Amino acid sequence: SAVISQKPSRDICQRGTSLTIQCQVDSQVTMMFWYRQQPGQSLTLIATANQGSEATYESGFVIDKFPISRPNLTFSTLTVSNMSPEDSSIYLCSVRGTVGAFFGQGTRLTVV
Amino acid sequence: AQSVSQHNHHVILSEAASLELGCNYSYGGTVNLFWYVQYPGQHLQLLLKYFSGDPLVKGIKGFEAEFIKSKFSFNLRKPSVQWSDTAEYFCALEAGSYQLTFGKGTKLSVIP
Repeated sequence: SAVISQKPSRDICQRGTSLTIQCQVDSQVTMMFWYRQQPGQSLTLIATANQGSEATYESGFVIDKFPISRPNLTFSTLTVSNMSPEDSSIYLCSVRGTVGAFFGQGTRLTVV
Repeated sequence: AQSVSQHNHHVILSEAASLELGCNYSYGGTVNLFWYVQYPGQHLQLLLKYFSGDPLVKGIKGFEAEFIKSKFSFNLRKPSVQWSDTAEYFCALEAGSYQLTFGKGTKLSVIP
């Protein structure tokens, strides 16, 4: 299993600002995934982050809004840019192990 | 594109009652299937998985699920629930590149 640490665990931000979420894994992994869980909704994949290459974004998500960095095999960041109240969600980092995906505890973002 | 449907939004049971949560998926190829659980205030945890082989899989805490290929279903069961099973349960599908597609989740409330 993998241990995933996310920072911050929660934040309240003003609209128009940006927040960078950090994800640290205790082992080297090729792929890291970023998901969003909007209030009352299920998890939706934002993007897949591979080390050494550009992140791959899912339909409806763009790099300008959710830039991702992946500087090494244990770390990634997701930035939520120019935030609006609609961005209020839980953002989760995930990695794939041999038995399935493991998730961080999530970052609960509230935009006011 | 793949999709996952969970039939029940909120299930309320008394302790010792039997549980069955429905999950159906849509995908034309080979899939891996998962159930995840999110206890109040905690992160998503893997409950059980199906990759191949015996369609009846057992997970942690007495949960099991049955993969029925002809019905595109992967229902979760537990013979006797406990108050500590109160949580939200997510069915998820993995096809190809380790990206997960989640159902909308089922909230289970167990009344002592």
